[in-house]
Amino acid sequence: DVQMTQSPSLLSASVGDRVTITCRASQDINVFLAWFQQEPGKAPKSLIYDASALQSGVPSKFSGTGSGTYFTLTIDSLQPEDFATYYCQQYYVYPLTFGGGTKVEI
Amino acid sequence: QLQLVESGGGVVQPGGSLRISCAASGFVFTTYVMHWVRQTPGKGLEWVAVISYDGSDRYYADSVKGRFTVSRDNSKNTLYLEMNSLTPEDTAVFYCARDRQRYKDIVLSPAPMMSLWGQGTRVVVSS
Repeated sequence: DVQMTQSPSLLSASVGDRVTITCRASQDINVFLAWFQQEPGKAPKSLIYDASALQSGVPSKFSGTGSGTYFTLTIDSLQPEDFATYYCQQYYVYPLTFGGGTKVEI
Repeated sequence: QLQLVESGGGVVQPGGSLRISCAASGFVFTTYVMHWVRQTPGKGLEWVAVISYDGSDRYYADSVKGRFTVSRDNSKNTLYLEMNSLTPEDTAVFYCARDRQRYKDIVLSPAPMMSLWGQGTRVVVSS
C-alpha cells in the first residue's frame, strides 16, 4: 500500500498568515493526489485534485503543488473559516490511502 | 442541488450485520463511480470500497474484503454497503463519495476521485 505522511500534524497560526502543509507518498504517485478540508463534525470537502487543480467553487487562496512523492498545500491569508483539519489522499493505485491529517488551529 | 445523504447507521452487536444507504440527488447518478469511506478517531480516514457507474466492477480494502459488499440501484439513485461479521474495529462514521468525472473506468489508473461527499452515518459495533 502507498503510505501517505503529512507534516506537521498540528499547525498553529494566526488570521492573515500564509501556511504550507506537506504530504509525502511512499512511492511515486505521479500527480494523482487530492487535498480535503474537514471542519469539526462535518464531512470532508474536496479542495484540490491532480495535485494542483482547484475544485470548482474553491477559492484561489488554496493552492497545491508537487508530483512524484512530494506535495504541498498552501493557504494564503488564513481566515477563521480556514481553521480545520486537512488531509491528502492518493488515487494512483488501490487501495486509496489518506494522510493522517494536519490540524490548523488558531 | 448536488446531494448525497447516508442513512441506516446505528448500534449493532459484534458478529452482526448492517446495511447502510446513500441516496443521491441533483446529478445523473447512473454515470458516476461511487465510494464508501470511513473515519475513526484512531485510524483517521480509510477508503472502504468503490463501485463502477454501472455496478459491474468493485474494489475493496483488505480490511473489509469478504465481509462488506458494495452495490447500487441506479433505478433508485441509491448506493448501499452491506456489512457482515462486524467487529468493534468497524465502529466509524461512514461516508459515501462521488467521483469528479462521469463514466470513469475504475479498472484503469488513476483510480476515481472523491469530489462530493455525504454528511456521514455513524455505525457503532458494541455489545
